[in-house]
Amino acid sequence: ILNVEQSPQSLHVQEGDSTNFTCSFPSSNFYALHWYRWETAKSPEALFVMTLNGDEKKKGRISATLNTKEGYSYLYIKGSQPEDSATYLCAFSHTGAGSYQLTFGKGTKLSVIP
Amino acid sequence: EPEVTQTPSHQVTQMGQEVILRCVPISNHLYFYWYRQILGQKVEFLVSFYNNEISEKSEIFDDQFSVERPDGSNFTLKIRSTKLEDSAMYFCASSVRSSSYNEQFFGPGTRLTVL
Repeated sequence: ILNVEQSPQSLHVQEGDSTNFTCSFPSSNFYALHWYRWETAKSPEALFVMTLNGDEKKKGRISATLNTKEGYSYLYIKGSQPEDSATYLCAFSHTGAGSYQLTFGKGTKLSVIP
Repeated sequence: EPEVTQTPSHQVTQMGQEVILRCVPISNHLYFYWYRQILGQKVEFLVSFYNNEISEKSEIFDDQFSVERPDGSNFTLKIRSTKLEDSAMYFCASSVRSSSYNEQFFGPGTRLTVL
């Protein structure tokens, strides 16, 4: 059974603070790691797809790193804003049978206090 | 910007009834998926669909579930005889190709409540 874990489960930060959270996943048969941002009542929005060990991706104030050998990814938000409040989901896909499906973590719910 | 749409946004049904959840994937996408999230739990994969047939399905996707692409635009999930434990948010997703890279684009979900 593939297990993807995210921590913390929830996080409250002040506007302007920088923050980060973790996604851990099985390191064997790795194919890709996806980060999504999900606001209530909206579609989960794809942030990054990461495939190579050591990958770093950036989109505005949000960035992510990937370590496939040890099976973790970090998502960083610099200078959090109230509009960053959302649940951040990571999802893992692996090689071989089952490679179409994404296996999700439970998410980290971020609340940014103005 | 193209997006995946789902209808209805909320469906309430009685146990034992059939429901059909509808999705319109992004128009040039070839791969289609259904996921669900039971309240408080992880988003779980149900099924993937390509070229008018199921590519993969999870253990959750038993004989009570079926999927169909009845025309060139819609993708549906049918639950034949709903159970209380089918209450969940159901997400449709689509992708251009199966490589995963496989960036999957999600709809906003249909909340199914089984009474």
